[in-house]
Amino acid sequence: GQSLEQPSEVTAVEGAIVQINCTYQTSGFYGLSWYQQHDGGAPTFLSYNGLDGLEETGRFSSFLSRSDSYGYLLLQELQMKDSASYFCAVRDRVGGYQKVTFGTGTKLQVIP
Amino acid sequence: DADVTQTPRNRITKTGKRIMLECSQTKGHDRMYWYRQDPGLGLRLIYYSFDVKDINKGEISDGYSVSRQAQAKFSLSLESAIPNQTALYFCATSPGGTSSEQYFGPGTRLTVT
Repeated sequence: GQSLEQPSEVTAVEGAIVQINCTYQTSGFYGLSWYQQHDGGAPTFLSYNGLDGLEETGRFSSFLSRSDSYGYLLLQELQMKDSASYFCAVRDRVGGYQKVTFGTGTKLQVIP
Repeated sequence: DADVTQTPRNRITKTGKRIMLECSQTKGHDRMYWYRQDPGLGLRLIYYSFDVKDINKGEISDGYSVSRQAQAKFSLSLESAIPNQTALYFCATSPGGTSSEQYFGPGTRLTVT
């Protein structure tokens, strides 16, 4: 079966850097995505890693190691508005179909 | 205008009632999904559809049914609502192919009393 693990909560200081880790177990792995969700809002796509290495999009970067079944989301120059939940999601093939399975989310609190 | 819309946004219903949640999209995507979100459990897939004639069960389909009326419309039904179906429900779409990005609607908060 599939499983994803990520920390439930992280607290970091405004202006600092924070890393949110995600480990996964699945077969037919295609890639790892990250989503952001503010309280009361809908999840929004941040990044996708299909290959090993680092993808950078502004203040956010995401990393994947397929051999370690591990990835992380790196947020730099933290701002108060980055306080939100962050979900990793595995894209894989199950029963002949590609689909996405979400982790349980990491609640990030940015403090002054 | 929003690309993915859900109606209603909030609904309170009683145990045993039938309820339908509707999702419409203007993105032209073939793939549509229904998720439920509960505190601490993340997003769990209920049903997904890769085109109008292709509908598949997700990890928690019991107690739910769906209808894909058109490429742009995907409805979720609770035939006989029960209190543990109280949750936040999201519809999402994706373009398929090699894209992994999903676009979510604003959500429907459902309470079953």
